[in-house]
Amino acid sequence: EAEVAQSPRYKITEKSQAVAFWCDPISGHATLYWYRQILGQGPELLVQFQDESVVDDSQLPKDRFSAERLKGVDSTLKIQPAELGDSAMYLCASSFTWGQGRFYEQYFGPGTRLTVT
Amino acid sequence: TQLLEQSPQFLSIQEGENLTVYCNSSSVFSSLQWYRQEPGEGPVLLVTVVTGGEVKKLKRLTFQFGDARKDSSLHITAAQPGDTGLYLCAGEEGTALIFGKGTTLSVSS
Repeated sequence: EAEVAQSPRYKITEKSQAVAFWCDPISGHATLYWYRQILGQGPELLVQFQDESVVDDSQLPKDRFSAERLKGVDSTLKIQPAELGDSAMYLCASSFTWGQGRFYEQYFGPGTRLTVT
Repeated sequence: TQLLEQSPQFLSIQEGENLTVYCNSSSVFSSLQWYRQEPGEGPVLLVTVVTGGEVKKLKRLTFQFGDARKDSSLHITAAQPGDTGLYLCAGEEGTALIFGKGTTLSVSS
């Protein structure tokens, strides 16, 4: 069964350092999402890509976060500099596509647990 | 921004008991999804409900979408320790999903 891959699974970093997460969506999925999940909360969308283009990054803290999907396949989310409040689970999800008058189900990867000390 | 409220927040039961968790909103959703998430893992999609009044069954799990498409419920019959996890409901808003805060279920043997 096809899965969304993420790495690393766990990351511990000191505040003010840079950190990067990688995601490889299900093959053939055009839409890729990055979510952040704080302990005890549901995931919240950070950024959405359709192929290599950003569809929605309105909730991405752009002063320190960046995301790219250069070839429209895998994606990288970067934080620089990391802050204590960034400690959370970072989840990647993909779907076949989006919009077009119907909902396409999203499939999540295992996530990267970030701890900032 | 639409909000999804889930209740109860925590539920601890014995193996074999039945339970129901709820997902409510003041807004209408075109569809709702239910996910289960185990500690340290990503959410796993259980079901999507689309039609008001729809009932879907997945083994011992029964999902219902309210007639007005503002609420949903998940009923588990004869809970097992393997059902332990965080149950999240999610609905479409714009380009992505919004999630409730979830119900943490613990089933002990």
